[in-house]
Amino acid sequence: EVQLVESGGGLIQRGGSLRLSCAASGFTFGHHSMNWVRQVPGQGLEWVSYISGSGTTIYYADSVKGRFTISRDNAKASLHLQLTGLRDEDTAVYYCARRPLSSSSFDYWGQGTLVIVSS
Amino acid sequence: SYVLTQPPSVSVAPGQTARITCGGDNIGAKGVHWYLQRPGQAPVLVISYNTDRPSGIPERFSGSNSGNTATLTITRVEAGDEADYYCHVWDGNSEHSVFGSGTKVTVL
Repeated sequence: EVQLVESGGGLIQRGGSLRLSCAASGFTFGHHSMNWVRQVPGQGLEWVSYISGSGTTIYYADSVKGRFTISRDNAKASLHLQLTGLRDEDTAVYYCARRPLSSSSFDYWGQGTLVIVSS
Repeated sequence: SYVLTQPPSVSVAPGQTARITCGGDNIGAKGVHWYLQRPGQAPVLVISYNTDRPSGIPERFSGSNSGNTATLTITRVEAGDEADYYCHVWDGNSEHSVFGSGTKVTVL
């Protein structure tokens, strides 16, 4: 069974840093590209970042480029998102999501981890 | 950047058909994915590449895409279909994934 479990969220001061993790199981992690998607409570979904299976191709949403860093450890089947320079508008639930092979959809999602940026 | 436009809400009586639209510039040339999200839960993929239903998704869910509008159709609507629905595309020009703003489906 495919499982994605996020961790690392919490309350952080404006301007601070945080590292989110996503532990994957039930599939060959290195074969799949992965994404981070966030959702401000009560609002819609916002794509944040993409990383290819090998980790060599990375994309970011304009709203986080230069502040967030996506990475992965295929040996440990884990995905990470380093958040720096946090702003109030970064407050959201952060989901990791898997892309199926040869597809741009997101077929499995974690349950999310909540990041609250406080002044 | 590429923009996807969805109506904020759609209301439908049980047993009737709900149609949720997703507008975008020449969206017919793109592969559109659809997700439902129930309160407090993660999104669930219900349609990929315009018309493909993942395993476990009822046949009541179907999709179409042409011109500037993609549509998710839910036939014989049930109370359990009440959720937020999002369309999603990969925009190769910007190398960004893009989500629509979401449509809240209310079953009357």
